[in-house]
Order: sequence, then structure tokens, then C-alpha cells
Amino acid sequence: EVQLLESGGGLVQPGGSLRLSCAASGFTFTTYAMGWVRQAPGKGLEWVSTISENGINTHYADSVKGRFTISRDNSKNTVHLQMISLRVEDTAVYYCARDVGVVMYDYWGQGALVTVSS
Amino acid sequence: DAVLTQTPLSSPVTLGQPASISCRSSQNLVHSDGNTYLNWLQQRPGQPPRLLIYKISNRFSGVPDRFSGSGAGTDFTLKISRVEAEDVGVYYCMQVTQFPRTFGQGTKVEIK
Repeated sequence: EVQLLESGGGLVQPGGSLRLSCAASGFTFTTYAMGWVRQAPGKGLEWVSTISENGINTHYADSVKGRFTISRDNSKNTVHLQMISLRVEDTAVYYCARDVGVVMYDYWGQGALVTVSS
Repeated sequence: DAVLTQTPLSSPVTLGQPASISCRSSQNLVHSDGNTYLNWLQQRPGQPPRLLIYKISNRFSGVPDRFSGSGAGTDFTLKISRVEAEDVGVYYCMQVTQFPRTFGQGTKVEIK
């Protein structure tokens, strides 16, 4: 059974940093690119970032470019999202999902809530 | 960027009646490999998104056959043949053909 479990969410002050993790299981992790999607309270879905299967290629939304860094550890089946210089508008539930593969965005985690507030 | 525009944004439906959601892209979503990576997602209240349809018209595992997708190029449609109570939620189209990935604004399906 495919499972994606996010962790690392929490409350942080504007300008602060946070690192999200997504632990994957139930599939061959190295055959999938992985992505992060976020959803601000009461709003729609916004793609944030994607990392390729081998971690070499990364893509970012303009809204987070230069502040967020996606990485993965294929030995631990984990993908990370390092977030710095956080803004109030980064407040959202962050979901990880399988990106490029046989079927894209087929499995999603339960999400991690990030709240940026003073 | 491929901007996805959904209509309607709200769809009150009587149980057992059909519902239809349109998704129009500002760019052609055909990938260089010939596939069109247009997904439909359902998000029930308090839940993460769930994939319903991928590559325009392919139902994902476990999705009831009352859900169907169609379209090509820039115009796509999700249809629910007979709405059930469990179908209440917000529906999003999403394109995975190009970066950045983009979503439609979401269509809220509710029971009249």
C-alpha cells in the first residue's frame, strides 16, 4: 500500500525557517519524481515544487523560488522541503505527492500544517 | 504558464442528477510524448485531494464509473452521471504536462 506521511509542520514567526519531510513507503521510491502542493486556509491548491527521481532536477513555483529548497534521500525514501524567509502568505497545509510516474499525482499525504504568524 | 479556468465555480445538484464541470486551459496541454496530462481531483471536506481521472479520461483505481472525463487540447470536462451524497466536495482540474504544474480554481459540488 502506497503511503506518504508528512511531518515537520508547526508555528513559525515571519522570517523564520521550517523543514518539512515526507516519508514514502509501499512503492519503489527511486522510480518517482516527488512534488509538494500547498493549500492556504479556505483556498485552492497551489503547486510548490518537484524533484526528479535522482534528485538532480528541481522545479519551483515563482512564489517560493529562492526561499524553498526541495531535496530527497533515496536511501531513506524521504523527500524534504526546506523553507526559509517564511511569510504570512506561506501559511498553508503542505501535501506531498508522487509527481512524474506511470500516473501523476495519484497518491497524496494527509498534509502538514505550516502557520506563519507573529 | 498554463492557466486553468473552471466553470462553474459552484454546482448545486439534486441527488441522482448529473453534474458537469468544465476546465479550459490557456495553452495546449499535449505533451511532446503525445499524451495530455490533465487530471481531475476530488477534495472532500477536511480531506487531502484524491485523484479521480488522469490523462483526460482514465479512471483511477477504485473510482466509481459514474465519474468520466473527456476533452482534448485545451478543453476538458468532468461528468458525474448521477450525483450521490458522498460526491459533495471541491473538484479541481490539474495539468501535469508542463512546469509549473497548475490547478483550476476548484468547483464546489453540493446537494440542493
